Amino acid sequence: RKEVEQDPGPFNVPEGATVAFNCTYSNSASQSFFWYRQDCRKEPKLLMSVYSSGNEDGRFTAQLNRASQYISLLIRDSKLSDSATYLCVVNKGERGGADGLTFGKGTHLIIQP
Amino acid sequence: ETGVTQSPTHLIKTRGQQVTLRCSSQSGHNTVSWYQQALGQGPQFIFQYYREEENGRGNFPPRFSGLQFPNYSSELNVNALELDDSALYLCASSAVGARKTQYFGPGTRLLVL
Repeated sequence: RKEVEQDPGPFNVPEGATVAFNCTYSNSASQSFFWYRQDCRKEPKLLMSVYSSGNEDGRFTAQLNRASQYISLLIRDSKLSDSATYLCVVNKGERGGADGLTFGKGTHLIIQP
Repeated sequence: ETGVTQSPTHLIKTRGQQVTLRCSSQSGHNTVSWYQQALGQGPQFIFQYYREEENGRGNFPPRFSGLQFPNYSSELNVNALELDDSALYLCASSAVGARKTQYFGPGTRLLVL
């Protein structure tokens, strides 16, 4: 089983729609969770951290379900500029984080006018 | 922008050669991590440096090595290049700790012929 699994998509969504994607992680001891956004041929950029209580940043809502080892991202009122690859990222937290971040393959989102 | 810089932006090498990639971390960050991102994949953790020592390593062979300098900048060295080493190499800086956000530089795109 892969450490972090995501549906690669692509998700083709009309502008203004709501889109949700999920990922699952295998290590139940993982400590911190993130969504990064990556535009074509660019570096990943932090979109938001994910907390057990759920958190919202404008049109973006992230949720973590530790029991199911499942992370979600919801984008409301999608914009053309939301088109990108969304990377689900986990820090296992072993050895104080020295084992780095574990990335999923990413979910490709295309917002259509 | 994150304040993390990398050089060079692009590089072409031939199989068997050696390459050195460079990274300057964001001000105030003492930890540098390196990742390899092959086409269509998420970034894979290579290693992490803290206080000029490697303190964590992913599943990469010893021909991948690195350095961190007193000013927290870092180098990634790859010996005996193979075709499969062709990838985007990303450097990320952070404060130390599992919950600390990592901020990525723009990457170096390496092509091995």
